[in-house]
Amino acid sequence: DAGVTQSPTHLIKTRGQQVTLRCSPKSGHDTVSWYQQALGQGPQFIFQYYEEEERQRGNFPDRFSGHQFPNYSSELNVNALLLGDSALYLCASSFLKETGDTGELFFGEGSRLTVL
Amino acid sequence: AQSVAQPEDQVNVAEGNPLTVKCTYSVSGNPYLFWYVQYPNRGLQFLLKYITGDNLVKGSYGFEAEFNKSQTSFHLKKPSALVSDSALYFCAVRDPGYGNKLVFGAGTILRVKS
Repeated sequence: DAGVTQSPTHLIKTRGQQVTLRCSPKSGHDTVSWYQQALGQGPQFIFQYYEEEERQRGNFPDRFSGHQFPNYSSELNVNALLLGDSALYLCASSFLKETGDTGELFFGEGSRLTVL
Repeated sequence: AQSVAQPEDQVNVAEGNPLTVKCTYSVSGNPYLFWYVQYPNRGLQFLLKYITGDNLVKGSYGFEAEFNKSQTSFHLKKPSALVSDSALYFCAVRDPGYGNKLVFGAGTILRVKS
């Protein structure tokens, strides 16, 4: 049973560029959340997608956007990259319809973004 | 607003000794609490959670955690530490009724020495 998979694992961009990160949830899961983990910090919630809609959003600017596809996979897009966007971006999935808000999140290995 | 505090940046323990990683939380109602572990350059792995019921929760790899409502704490414990337990540990809280967003603490590095 494949867990949460993310791509790419590493990427380097320059300021002002745009980036797209991809995530496939654990088999059977219907909800995808994205987190940003800066160096030496805990993960910070960006947003959550369920039934192809953004359901919750953290304190991130509109430069951060996302999408969920009918097969439950998801993309995170960041426009106009800043140096401060350098971080590990984690995707997490859960089965919201079954576990509601009591279920644990399953995390991928992350995409490490470096902005130069 | 929900918040989590992990007061220790690092915990050092000798192999075979008991370990405790501390966590305190703040939520408006009854909390859902989680512990995750992160190994270098890896994602987060779920260890255990408290939703309701028994205050002592048992999880993966011999870890357990004690929920204390009066002290708003959820400390992670293990009776006998292993060198392989060395990693970064995160406590997280979820506010029931607000979806499945997690608010994480800053993390505690656990070093187990042989």
